[in-house]
Formats: sequence, structure tokens, C-alpha cells
Amino acid sequence: GIQVEQSPPDLILQEGANSTLRCNFSDSVNNLQWFHQNPWVQLINLFYIPSGTKQNGRLSATTVATERYSLLYISSSQTTDSGVYFCAGYIQGAQKLVFGQGTRLTINP
Amino acid sequence: EAGVAQSPRYKIIEKRQSVAFWCNPISGHATLYWYQQILGQGPKLLIQFQNNGVVDDSQLPKDRFSAERLKGVDSTLKIQPAKLEDSAVYLCASSFWGPETQYFGPGTRLLVL
Repeated sequence: GIQVEQSPPDLILQEGANSTLRCNFSDSVNNLQWFHQNPWVQLINLFYIPSGTKQNGRLSATTVATERYSLLYISSSQTTDSGVYFCAGYIQGAQKLVFGQGTRLTINP
Repeated sequence: EAGVAQSPRYKIIEKRQSVAFWCNPISGHATLYWYQQILGQGPKLLIQFQNNGVVDDSQLPKDRFSAERLKGVDSTLKIQPAKLEDSAVYLCASSFWGPETQYFGPGTRLLVL
């Protein structure tokens, strides 16, 4: 079955708007991470967040492990936030990282 | 601290040719990963090394793909012979040891014609 599922698949916003990206993960997955993939395909670590809440500037993430979901919040979006956001988690008992299909975020000026 | 280095950044080859990608992980990182990312999808793990040893290669098409990590540092991923469906971005990543933050290289875009 689906181990890491992201929503929405696409999100188009105006500059300055706030956004929330969701990641649902199955019982076999833990140690959630969020990545941003820029147009040059570089994957940038945003958060390693097995549980709880973390904030870094305009970005924050919350993982509720007991309910098997994680949220990524982007406030006051900028055009440079555009790209694909991936959620990934580790298969329990292994060190294998499994990725969701990603959310493509487009921020228009 | 230098990041994960990969080369080449782009490669165009014809089907049935061979190709090799190189990766240099972050200094001191014991674990090295190779991922394949097909357009529109998330990265998929091909092979994982811890120092010199292979931890997981269950999704590596071993009839055509091979990888090695000599001396527990640099790694090379080879495809021979290439197929059209091998067109993808190949990403290398490293982590200090186990299931914590992985750091990704800039990737190699492969186009097989």
C-alpha cells in the first residue's frame, strides 16, 4: 500500500499568501523529513521532524506521529519558494528513505 | 563544509551505450545512497552503502546497473547497456551514519535517445 502520500499535488498561489502542505504516512514509516527541490533538481533539507514542531524563518513543520501525518507551513510566500516539496520517511527496521510524489508549488508575483 | 559532489551534471547517450556517474559524499559520512528520480516522481532508492558494504540494493536492476564504493568514500554508478527508460535524474546523498538527515548532491540528468 501507499506508504507516503502528499497533498495537494499542485498548488498555485500569489506572492504573500500562506500555504499548508500535507503528508500522510503509513504505520511502517517514521522519522519524517521535508525537502524542497529547486528547478535545478537540487534537493534541499528543510526539516528532519520525527515528531513535534520546528520552525525556520517563514517555514515551519509539525508531525503528529500518533495520527500518521505531517504538515509543512509556508508563510508570506515568495517566488523563490516555488518548486517541488517532498515528504520522506524511513521504513521501520531499515534505513531506506521512501518519498512521496511531491507537491508542486508555484508562487506567482 | 563542502556538500555532496556529483559529476557529470548532464549526459546524453544512445540506447545500448554505457554510462558512469561519480559521487563524492560529505567528509566523514559513512552512508552513501544512489537514487533514481523519474520525471514527475519522487526519488527512488537504488542502492545504499555503509562504508564499503552494501546495505540495500533490492531496487537496483542488477542486469544492467552496478555500483561500487571503494575505500568507503567515493562511489561510481554504472549503467550498461542503457535503455530509454533509464532517462532520469540520478541523485547521490550521504548521511553521517543512520536514519537521520540525508544531504543530496546536485544530481546528474541522463537522457537516453
